[in-house]
Amino acid sequence: DAMVIQNPRYQVTQFGKPVTLSCSQTLNHNVMYWYQQKSSQAPKLLFHYYDKDFNNEADTPDNFQSRRPNTSFCFLDIRSPGLGDAAMYLCATSRLQGGGSPLHFGNGTRLTVT
Amino acid sequence: GENVEQHPSTLSVQEGDSAVIKCTYSDSASNYFPWYKQELGKGPQLIIDIRSNVGEKKDQRIAVTLNKTAKHFSLHITETQPEDSAVYFCAATHQAAGNKLTFGGGTRVLVKP
Repeated sequence: DAMVIQNPRYQVTQFGKPVTLSCSQTLNHNVMYWYQQKSSQAPKLLFHYYDKDFNNEADTPDNFQSRRPNTSFCFLDIRSPGLGDAAMYLCATSRLQGGGSPLHFGNGTRLTVT
Repeated sequence: GENVEQHPSTLSVQEGDSAVIKCTYSDSASNYFPWYKQELGKGPQLIIDIRSNVGEKKDQRIAVTLNKTAKHFSLHITETQPEDSAVYFCAATHQAAGNKLTFGGGTRVLVKP
């Protein structure tokens, strides 16, 4: 089945130690998104790629970076994780950028910062 | 920018009863309204969506209604089952926003057997 796969499901990192989360998709969608979701809250968009074009949200901290080496893969890099960055990180894809193209989410990576 | 409010924040229903979740939005340009279901430990999954040229859409036990004039839309689940227990998010967007969804705050639904 075509899907969005996130690895690992659980990630523990130390305060200040860089960490990378990965996402792959078999849907061949043009757009890939990274969301941060804290407990009992709605997902918050960090940034997205439309093909190779990177779009950062205005309030996304510089500590968060992303790479999309090809259509299938996208990475979230947290350069110096703080305790406040502990959250579920969700990757999503959509076929189109506009016009209400449905989002397809992965099952997320839960990040713990010790 | 768009603002989406969702009520109630928690909803407990008896199995077999109906559940209704309501959302209001602020941007009259919004024209796409998806609903996502998020089960524990999983990512949100699209369960139904509606576009502004339609007033109602049904898919088996799930229906969504849209009132553009009042700027509100609702999710209706009939004959609820324990597997309907989850957090439900409404969202709104429009083409000029580049498909950026504005989510409501979520509703935790508990279906009691």
